[in-house]
Amino acid sequence: QKEVEQNSGPLSVPEGAIASLNCTYSDRVSQSFFWYRQYSGKSPELIMSIYSNGDKEDGRFTAQLNKASQYVSLLIRDSQPSDSATYLCAGHTSGTYKYIFGTGTRLKVLA
Amino acid sequence: ETGVTQSPTHLIKTRGQQVTLRCSSQSGHNTVSWYQQALGQGPQFIFQYYREEENGRGNFPPRFSGLQFPNYSSELNVNALELDDSALYLCASSSGGTSVLNEQFFGPGTRLTVL
Repeated sequence: QKEVEQNSGPLSVPEGAIASLNCTYSDRVSQSFFWYRQYSGKSPELIMSIYSNGDKEDGRFTAQLNKASQYVSLLIRDSQPSDSATYLCAGHTSGTYKYIFGTGTRLKVLA
Repeated sequence: ETGVTQSPTHLIKTRGQQVTLRCSSQSGHNTVSWYQQALGQGPQFIFQYYREEENGRGNFPPRFSGLQFPNYSSELNVNALELDDSALYLCASSSGGTSVLNEQFFGPGTRLTVL
């Protein structure tokens, strides 16, 4: 199993819908998780971090962490065409300072 | 507040050459991490620097080396360049030293092409 795994997509949703992006992680990854957005040709931008089980909301974004099932998700409400990008999930490996990124999920919001 | 900056933006080198990439951390940040991102992949952790020392390393050979300076800026050096080194090199800075809760903020990256 990869340490951080994401479906590469593309995930297509209509404008105004909820986009749901998922990420699973292995036993080697724990404690802290991060969602980044990356537009084509640009560097990743931090959307939000989550460390505790449950939901964390920031504007149109909600991150969900379930440590028992080893998954973390990102919900984007009222999706806009400007949300079309690749979304990267990252976790922190246990006992090290190493951050592991998934390969990213490409999101397309259709106008 | 000044964000993370990197130089140069683009670089073209030939196989066997050496390259130095530079990064200035965001104001107030003392930790710098370097990543390599190949096309269509997620960033791969190269190493992290805190208090001018290498703090953690990914699966990269010793020809990838780095430095951190007292002002927290950093350099990534790659010797004996190979074609597979062609990638986007990202620098990320964070505050709070080595805490696992640190949020990292990325610079714009350096696009390296090895011919």
